[in-house]
Amino acid sequence: GESVGLHLPTLSVQEGDNSIINCAYSNSASDYFIWYKQESGKGPQFIIDIRSNMDKRQGQRVTVLLNKTVKHLSLQIAATQPGDSAVYFCAENFDNFGNEKLTFGTGTRLTIIP
Amino acid sequence: NAGVTQTPKFRVLKTGQSMTLLCAQDMNHEYMYWYRQDPGMGLRLIHYSVGEGTTAKGEVPDGYNVSRLKKQNFLLGLESAAPSQTSVYFCASKETGREANYGYTFGSGTRLTVV
Repeated sequence: GESVGLHLPTLSVQEGDNSIINCAYSNSASDYFIWYKQESGKGPQFIIDIRSNMDKRQGQRVTVLLNKTVKHLSLQIAATQPGDSAVYFCAENFDNFGNEKLTFGTGTRLTIIP
Repeated sequence: NAGVTQTPKFRVLKTGQSMTLLCAQDMNHEYMYWYRQDPGMGLRLIHYSVGEGTTAKGEVPDGYNVSRLKKQNFLLGLESAAPSQTSVYFCASKETGREANYGYTFGSGTRLTVV
């Protein structure tokens, strides 16, 4: 079946450094991609999204890059802070004639080292 | 504006018992979703609804039923709970339309343990 996967299950980064989290997706028809942050005991929290007609989108300290040629997403977090420690998921949205569904990857645990 | 509210937040069931999880949203969203999340894994879609009175199966629908009698509520039922259904359940709702940002809104989850 279709799946969204991540290259690295864990990532440790020194506070203040930049981090990059990668994600591979397999459904070339997915039209919308979202990065979520999940802290322990909480639901997914929206970070940033990107539509399939774009290759880059920037937010506050975060940038998402989309490479449709190799079906690859990345999330860059600049100047990491202790509060960035969490599990990060990429998700792909597929719209099948009005039936929209979001498929999640398995997640990467980001740990910020003080 | 409460967003997406899930009840209960925690529940322990015995094998074979039944229960219903309630998801309520006050944003007038058309689409609603039920996901489960097992330890160390991403969310997997159980069932979803694209409007009042409609439901559809997701990736892992077996052992669950759903109903969407009112637009604001999406119920997830377990008729005969099994230990394999121990998980954290998340509900989400979504605006329609490509222009919507922050399209999916998630609840805070229901932690279910089946013993």
